[in-house]
This record gives sequence, C-alpha cells and structure tokens, in this order.
Amino acid sequence: NAGVTQTPKFRVLKTGQSMTLLCAQDMNHEYMYWYRQDPGMGLRLIHYSVGEGTTAKGEVPDGYNVSRLKKQNFLLGLESAAPSQTSVYFCASSKPSGMSYEQYFGPGTRLTVT
Amino acid sequence: RKEVEQDPGPFNVPEGATVAFNCTYSNSASQSFFWYRQDCRKEPKLLMSVYSSGNEDGRFTAQLNRASQYISLLIRDSKLSDSATYLCVVNPMNSGYSTLTFGKGTMLLVSP
Repeated sequence: NAGVTQTPKFRVLKTGQSMTLLCAQDMNHEYMYWYRQDPGMGLRLIHYSVGEGTTAKGEVPDGYNVSRLKKQNFLLGLESAAPSQTSVYFCASSKPSGMSYEQYFGPGTRLTVT
Repeated sequence: RKEVEQDPGPFNVPEGATVAFNCTYSNSASQSFFWYRQDCRKEPKLLMSVYSSGNEDGRFTAQLNRASQYISLLIRDSKLSDSATYLCVVNPMNSGYSTLTFGKGTMLLVSP
C-alpha cells in the first residue's frame, strides 16, 4: 500500500496563477483533510471531507476550494495564488473508529508563490 | 487562550536523559488526545494516543489531566533518533470526532 500520496511535491507559482494539488489514499478511508503548515503557526486545517461528495471548511479556507468526487481522492485548488499561500501543504486521511482515530499524512507539497 | 498550547523549545538534552513536555488545551469538551512526532521537513506521524488512565509505550509515557486540562509526554533514556518536533493534538469536538487541532509543537534536540 502506498498510503497517502500527494502530487506534486514542489511547485513555484506566480501571483495570480492557479493550480490543483492532488491527494490520493489507498486505505479506503472515509475522512480526508488538507492542512497548511507555516513556520511558527503549526498545522492549520483548510478544508476536510467526511465522505465522497462532501466537503467542509476548516480554520483557514479562504482562497482555496476542494472537491471529493471519488473516495480515494481529495483535490485542493488555488484559483488565484497569492504570496500568502506560500506554505507546505499536507493531506491526511483517517478512518473513524469510536472516539480515537489516527490521521495518516502524505509527504507534503512545498508551494512557493512569487 | 489558544486551543492547544505548547512550549516551542528547543529542549536540548544529552543522550540518556529523561525529558518531559506539557501541553494545555482550552476546550473542556475535548475527548481524544494524541502525541504526534514530526521530523524535519517530513509529515507528522502518530506517536501515541493519550488515555485517561495514562499509557506507556516503551520509553514513552503519556498522561492526561482533565481537571487541569493538560497532557504530558515523558521520554526516558533519550536517543539521538528522538530528535524531532512533538505535536500535541486534541479532538476539539467542534465537528464531532472528524477533526483534530494541532499544537505548534515542541522541538527536542538530543545530543551525543
């Protein structure tokens, strides 16, 4: 099993450009998440999904859109990139099991917006 | 008060030392607690869950104090490979059990 994979691993964008980050998981997990991690800020939740066809806003959703058309994939879109979106983006997935569950993370995408 | 607070460190300790980290959380309704480990430029990985009765996994011991709303992680006999950032993680119950809130992490540096 590959676990959680993210594409691409690195990307440089110019202000105003758009792009889509792809997250895929092969663990049949129901829940998927997109986080961003900035120095001194920790991991912050952007959007998440509790099942195919559903999405919900997290702590910092502005400037991002997401789609979960297939259970195994969760896409994060930046319609008009801004320098403030320079960050490391992590995708994660989990399978709810009672009150305690683990989130499995992908290796991250390092995005620079100039 | 921030949802999850941790001392950012770094904690510099020699090999073999015992080190402890604390973390406080603000939402008394929180039900699930975890410690994650994150190596430099890598993704976070679950280290251990934290149960009300406390739990131990080898050299690692985690404790929960609900009355004071803090979680602790104790590492005994530190190894060089323990050098990493340790993230305190809480389920805030804002959206059921589906989301987690991560602390900013405590950096540990173990030296020879």
